[in-house]
Amino acid sequence: GAGVSQSPRYKVAKRGQDVALRCDPISGHVSLFWYQQALGQGPEFLTYFQNEAQLDKSGLPSDRFFAERPEGSVSTLKIQRTQQEDSAVYLCASSLDWGGLRNIQYFGAGTRLSVL
Amino acid sequence: AQKVTQAQTEISVVEKEDVTLDCVYETRDTTYYLFWYKQPPSGELVFLIRRNSFDEQNEISGRYSWNFQKSTSSFNFTITASQVVDSAVYFCALNTDKLIFGTGTRLQVFP
Repeated sequence: GAGVSQSPRYKVAKRGQDVALRCDPISGHVSLFWYQQALGQGPEFLTYFQNEAQLDKSGLPSDRFFAERPEGSVSTLKIQRTQQEDSAVYLCASSLDWGGLRNIQYFGAGTRLSVL
Repeated sequence: AQKVTQAQTEISVVEKEDVTLDCVYETRDTTYYLFWYKQPPSGELVFLIRRNSFDEQNEISGRYSWNFQKSTSSFNFTITASQVVDSAVYFCALNTDKLIFGTGTRLQVFP
């Protein structure tokens, strides 16, 4: 596709359930980023991939959060044993080149996760 | 520490008014990039502009203009003759290692 695609757009989970959020980046983009956006806030960095290598996961809030990009294209963000505080919009972004400061990140529309 | 402050939480204007969105950033790094993104109700962030720390030249693109002043650590965004389609949340962001966003300014343009 032309842009970053995320699925599902909306996800409702019961507390304690596991969820998996998918990101399909722009074709050929090397770098992929995940962000968490709480209501009324700006996106906050979670993790970064360069191809299949996860180079930075310093923003993951707990060990319940896990991300992978096994073939260097599609990525999945998994949240185990969801908690109410995990409710947020999860945004994925990709950029053409390695994660340099100047690179423009192109964002998907996000997955809105609601944990009941 | 790196920080971006967008003090204006929400701005409402009537169509054709000019509006300026403020952005103040903090960093000790000498090399960095600043960005503005627009987030319409559909949710995706749309890239508007990128500026590096060594280029203080202001930029104009149609009805949009940006004023970068290192002396005040500000990177303000002005929309001239606003339109209803400009209604969105606008984010300023700083990249010194990771992209750090401000809390955003919600702009509502009324007809």
